[in-house]
Amino acid sequence: AQSVTQLGSHVSVSEGALVLLRCNYSSSVPPYLFWYVQYPNQGLQLLLKYTSAATLVKGINGFEAEFKKSETSFHLTKPSAHMSDAAEYFCAVSDRGNQFYFGTGTSLTVIP
Amino acid sequence: DAGVIQSPRHEVTEMGQEVTLRCKPISGHNSLFWYRQTMMRGLELLIYFNNNVPIDDSGMPEDRFSAKMPNASFSTLKIQPSEPRDSAVYFCASSLRGGGTAGELFFGEGSRLTVL
Repeated sequence: AQSVTQLGSHVSVSEGALVLLRCNYSSSVPPYLFWYVQYPNQGLQLLLKYTSAATLVKGINGFEAEFKKSETSFHLTKPSAHMSDAAEYFCAVSDRGNQFYFGTGTSLTVIP
Repeated sequence: DAGVIQSPRHEVTEMGQEVTLRCKPISGHNSLFWYRQTMMRGLELLIYFNNNVPIDDSGMPEDRFSAKMPNASFSTLKIQPSEPRDSAVYFCASSLRGGGTAGELFFGEGSRLTVL
């Protein structure tokens, strides 16, 4: 079975500080992993995805994530937070079949 | 290329009324998902279709909910009769599965339902 755990439902960072959003997964098969972002009153938008190529994946808006099999983690980072990064972030795992499993989301607040 | 299109964007109705939400997936995609999002329960998968066939509807709350996909370019989610606890944002998402693709989901903007 597949599942995703996002540690920290709320994260606050100062503008310009490092953003780190944590995601751990469990999967019985080599997974595909995703990060999505949701801005207020909008749908979820794909930030980046891991599909068993490079373990460090770069996405849009300066975000990146590193797949660490030994830690079953796929944490999302951004070196310098911007006010426009304030949003809800969801980690998801796919079993390469037809199912997607989403985490419960992390709300990111950026403090000016 | 047009994304996933949902309608209506907002719906306000009274308890007991029938509600129909509509979704047009991205052309060429072969899988379609309906999700519900609330503050209390987060993002919940209601049902998904593969090649227009319902594969897993275990997330549909009860018999008041039904979903159809009559063809590859259209799906509906119907609630009859609606109740205040159905108030939520309903998302449709589509993806291309198979052929070595990652199968990421592409979401619509959502339909915000308020049942009074």
